[in-house]
This record gives sequence, structure tokens and C-alpha cells, in this order.
Amino acid sequence: DGGITQSPKYLFRKEGQNVTLSCEQNLNHDAMYWYRQDPGQGLRLIYYSQIVNDFQKGDIAEGYSVSREKKESFPLTVTSAQKNPTAFYLCASSRTGTGNNEQFFGPGTRLTVL
Amino acid sequence: AQKVTQAQTEISVVEKEDVTLDCVYETRDTTYYLFWYKQPPSGELVFLIRRNSFDEQNEISGRYSWNFQKSTSSFNFTITASQVVDSAVYFCALSRNNAGNMLTFGGGTRLMVKP
Repeated sequence: DGGITQSPKYLFRKEGQNVTLSCEQNLNHDAMYWYRQDPGQGLRLIYYSQIVNDFQKGDIAEGYSVSREKKESFPLTVTSAQKNPTAFYLCASSRTGTGNNEQFFGPGTRLTVL
Repeated sequence: AQKVTQAQTEISVVEKEDVTLDCVYETRDTTYYLFWYKQPPSGELVFLIRRNSFDEQNEISGRYSWNFQKSTSSFNFTITASQVVDSAVYFCALSRNNAGNMLTFGGGTRLMVKP
């Protein structure tokens, strides 16, 4: 079945540690996205990538980094510079990076900083 | 700048009632796209509908219907004869035509359908 997988589902991290969240898609989509969701709030865009080896900052990129070495994969690293990293992280993909393409979402990773 | 407002943070209804979720948006673009997503307790967002700014036809899909009115910048979502399985958080979102398909989300409306 085609879809988006994110791992792990739950992640615990100590303060000061970097952590990488995985996102893989087998939909052959060109564009991929990372969003952050805080309790009771909407989603905010962290980074997005329209093609391999290219990505742009979203609204809240500080303290995060990404790479897009393969079409299927768009890992997100939460660095120690991110002041409040505890949140629910959602990865998405769309056929292309133009506005008329719906985004499909993965199941999310819930990150807790201890 | 774009903005999406979902003024209703929480709605509670009894099964079989009809319910309308409001969405108001702001944009300076003439071409844009509006979306509704459902987020069940599992957390994954499920795509429901996409609407182009140049197509104001209302749409019905089973118990779901959408009312798009450019004159009032609104894109409201109605569930007819609600069911317990409709309980979820619903998000309205807006994207621009040529800006990397970045979605601007509203804050979401939590719908609770009681048996």
C-alpha cells in the first residue's frame, strides 16, 4: 500500500540532545513537508522540499534541520537549539509543490523532552 | 499575508444532529486553494476536500457538504446526521497557487458527537 511512514511514534529525548525524526513516502511524490502541532493548536510549517537536494524554511525553522537526499525520504533533526521541542510532528507529501495539490500526512511522531 | 480563522474551538452535538464548522480566510491572491482535513484521535490528518478559488460550486459527498462563498471569504463544512465516528478535530487550510504549496492552517475545531 502506498503511504507515508514516520518513525518512531513516540520519542523521548533529554535536554541538550539532537534527535532525528524519520519520514518515508512511497507515493512517488516530489514535494515533502514537516509540520509541528502544539496541543490545541493548528499546524505550523517547519521546512518543505519541492525536489531532491532542495528545501526551504517554513514559518518556524529555527532549531531544526532537514535533508532531502532521496525522493522518498525527508528526515527532520530537532537540534538542542530548539527551545521548546516537545510537540507532535507531522510529515506530509504532495504530488508536486504547486498549490492545487492536496498534501497527504503520515501518522506523526510525538516528541517529549525530559 | 494569509490567515485562516476557525472561530469555533469546540462543538458538542448529539448523534444525528446536523453541525456546521465555520472557516473564514484572508488572502490577497486571486488564485488560491482551500482544504478541509480531519484529525481523528490517532493523530494522522485525513484529506477531505480541495476547492479552487475560481470554482464556487458547493459540493456534497455523502453526509458531508461544503459551502464556498468568495463574497464573505468563507468555506464552511456541514456534517448531516452526525455520527460518533465523526468526532475529531477538523482543520481548514489555505494554499497559494505558486508558493511551494505551503498550507496555512486554521486553529482547528474539535467536534464531539455524543451517542
